[in-house]
Amino acid sequence: VLTQSPGTLSLSPGERATLSCRASQSVSNNYLAWYQQKPGQAPRRLIYDASSRATGIPDRFSGSASGTDFTLTISRLEPEDFAVYYCQQYGSSSWTFGQGTKVEIK
Amino acid sequence: QVQLVESGGGLVKPGGSLRLSCAASGFTFSDYYMSWIRQAPGKGLEWVSYITGSGTTIYYADSVKGRFTISRDNAKNSLYLQMNSLRAEDTAVYFCARSNWGFDYWGQGTLLTVSS
Repeated sequence: VLTQSPGTLSLSPGERATLSCRASQSVSNNYLAWYQQKPGQAPRRLIYDASSRATGIPDRFSGSASGTDFTLTISRLEPEDFAVYYCQQYGSSSWTFGQGTKVEIK
Repeated sequence: QVQLVESGGGLVKPGGSLRLSCAASGFTFSDYYMSWIRQAPGKGLEWVSYITGSGTTIYYADSVKGRFTISRDNAKNSLYLQMNSLRAEDTAVYFCARSNWGFDYWGQGTLLTVSS
């Protein structure tokens, strides 16, 4: 099980966002990805293998891992970054998503 | 460019069946695992199933095991999801996605509504 926190993050453009994803057990090889989803759109992969940025993703997005705790950091929020973010593990035969964190404009 | 286009969604009565399709282009289809992921209205993402490139290994979420069947036709560059014994809680947008260190490409989804 992946547990994301907080459920909602209210921030202003230019601020730093820190999103958490905690796994109930170890994630093999840190096989964890982060996605951004905007209303009416398919999700977009931002990060894979916990800390590798996907092609075309701005460097203000970064991922890190410490044991079973994973973090997505957005260094300076741009207007287009307000969206819902999901973590997802692919380290076992049964893949799972976290429940999502909404980043909204304060 | 990679493109995934789902089709086959619609309105089905509880207990009914439906088959979703996903047409892939822009990459060597048989080289990649493929997955179905769904999203109920206003809810989060739920992984449903994946299939390896050769089709020899398949996994399902517990919520659909025994009712849904994933398959692929590499000659037609197509992915399928046969859904039987449908329930109201299966109502969702169904996305197909290329499975490559997570899901690197997604279709736009097709809506399944299960209602009497």
